Amino acid sequence: DAKTTQPTSMDCAEGRAANLPCNHSTISGNEYVYWYRQIHSQGPQYIIHGLKNNETNEMASLIITEDRKSSTLILPHATLRDTAVYYCIVRVVLRGNNAGNMLTFGGGTRLMVKP
Amino acid sequence: DAGVIQSPRHEVTEMGQEVTLRCKPISGHNSLFWYRQTMMRGLELLIYFNNNVPIDDSGMPEDRFSAKMPNASFSTLKIQPSEPRDSAVYFCASSPGQGGSEPQHFGDGTRLSIL
Repeated sequence: DAKTTQPTSMDCAEGRAANLPCNHSTISGNEYVYWYRQIHSQGPQYIIHGLKNNETNEMASLIITEDRKSSTLILPHATLRDTAVYYCIVRVVLRGNNAGNMLTFGGGTRLMVKP
Repeated sequence: DAGVIQSPRHEVTEMGQEVTLRCKPISGHNSLFWYRQTMMRGLELLIYFNNNVPIDDSGMPEDRFSAKMPNASFSTLKIQPSEPRDSAVYFCASSPGQGGSEPQHFGDGTRLSIL
């Protein structure tokens, strides 16, 4: 799986958009970009994933550049409860009985939302 | 819907004792994963199952660790004998389907302390 690079930490004001970048310059054509977050003392929580197109759900938006070498997770209106470590993960998608959608977690970005 | 359920939430025991961690995946999910999280090494995949069959256990640290999935609704991770360096938070996750791009859903973990 391709390696990802994320800033170690970021701050964001409450109510403003949080834009979390991720570089994955060695991504290959069959690798998806996944975002998870981990709030203190909880298990990782799935946020969103995509292959080529931008994606949006009730939690966030994922913007993937045309060359797919980087992406940005956008939390449109950050709240204090969004303070967490955000992980960007790139993974090959395999299919079949013996396939596993294994995740390799890096260090992530520690997002601090401040009042 | 109930999420992934892990028990116990906390475990403190003396080195040399046997430790058994338990996981109930989300009903209908075909894949189950065990992860370990420490400050030094972050989140690491230990083993994963598809349809109750272990597919990849290359992340299991050594023979003291073993995992079983006797049926689709239950899995255990056992450490025997336990050592202080096994102290960590252990997460269980499950996902639907057999491979593919489906996201993983994590439990809240078991915080294990070996004295």
